[in-house]
This record gives sequence, structure tokens and C-alpha cells, in this order.
Amino acid sequence: GIQVEQSPPDLILQEGANSTLRCNFSDSVNNLQWFHQNPWGQLINLFYIPSGTKQNGRLSATTVATERYSLLYISSSQTTDSGVYFCAVGTGTYKYIFGTGTRLKVLA
Amino acid sequence: SAVISQKPSRDICQRGTSLTIQCQVDSQVTMMFWYRQQPGQSLTLIATANQGSEATYESGFVIDKFPISRPNLTFSTLTVSNMSPEDSSIYLCSAHIYTEAFFGQGTRLTVV
Repeated sequence: GIQVEQSPPDLILQEGANSTLRCNFSDSVNNLQWFHQNPWGQLINLFYIPSGTKQNGRLSATTVATERYSLLYISSSQTTDSGVYFCAVGTGTYKYIFGTGTRLKVLA
Repeated sequence: SAVISQKPSRDICQRGTSLTIQCQVDSQVTMMFWYRQQPGQSLTLIATANQGSEATYESGFVIDKFPISRPNLTFSTLTVSNMSPEDSSIYLCSAHIYTEAFFGQGTRLTVV
């Protein structure tokens, strides 16, 4: 089955710093989403981005489907950005396969 | 988007018992799924909840352990049966609006 690897696995930042999270997948996908899991376990939708680039405030994402990767950019990080970031990819069966996650901690 | 309500939000259960988790979506959806997230791990798909027919289980998950109901297009339940401490996890319900997935807040289960 499709493999989804995220890097780095862990990241510690000072408040105000920028970061780039990466998601690599092993096969062609029809769908791709980025999620933020907050400390209470809730999954927050960040982007639905099977291809191209999107921006929402301090966050932006780019997916290059032909090269099988996606990037999530966080600028001017805040302590509330802490948590785990997941990418999830979907194939033609509509099932989503989740990546390994990046655990982010932003220090005040 | 979709608003997905799960309950209970958390529970502590004795080994050998069963727990049923409910998932309610605020609109009719075709696709509903159940995921498990073991401590410190990523999410793993348990099954696709099919309306009007038996759920479709992923490798490593069986109906006897995780029976699922989907009586209509807005509601589903997952039962975790004959629980052991290894079942301690967060269980999440998901629904798709077109091809985008939305999640409930999860049920944090601890088995003692």
C-alpha cells in the first residue's frame, strides 16, 4: 500500500520563527489534506490541497503531485501552533492514509 | 464543511467489557470512517461504515472486535468489544464532504 512519510518527526521553535514541514508519499494520489491535532486530540482541517499552492493567514501549503510531496509552511509561529501536524493522502477509494506526523513545540 | 459530534468524549472501562461510541454528522454524507490512534502514534483506518450494508474492515481489524452500525446517512456507531488495555486509544469518526475529510473530536478510551 501507499506509504506516507513526514519530516522532521519532531521540531522545537522559538515563538516568531518560521518552519517547513514535509510530506512524501510513495504513489499517485487524488486527495491530500493537512491537519493540526491540538493537545486535546482534536483534528483541525488546515488545507485540502491535492495540487498547487494555498495560503491561509500565517500558514501556506504547496503540493507537487508529480514529484509526490507536499510542504506546509508556518510563519511567525505562536505557542498555539504547538501540537502534531499530519498529512493524509487519498486514493481513488476515498480512504485517507495518514502520515507519520510532525510533533511541533513552540516555546514562548 | 461538516460538524461531527462524538460521544462519549472520554471513558475509563474495565477489561472484558464493551463500549459503544456514537458519531453524529450535521448533514447527510455518503462516506463515514472510523480511525484508531494509539498513544503517540498516527491514525490508522479501522473500517468504512457503509449505509445499509456491512462495514468494510481494513487488514488487522475484524467485525467481532469492532462491530459498526450505519443505520442512516448521518449516524454511525463503533463498538470496542471485550476490551483489553491494548485497546486504550483515541477513536475518531470521520465524514467526507465531497472528497474532503472532517473529524469528530475523538473518544479517548482507557482500559484498566
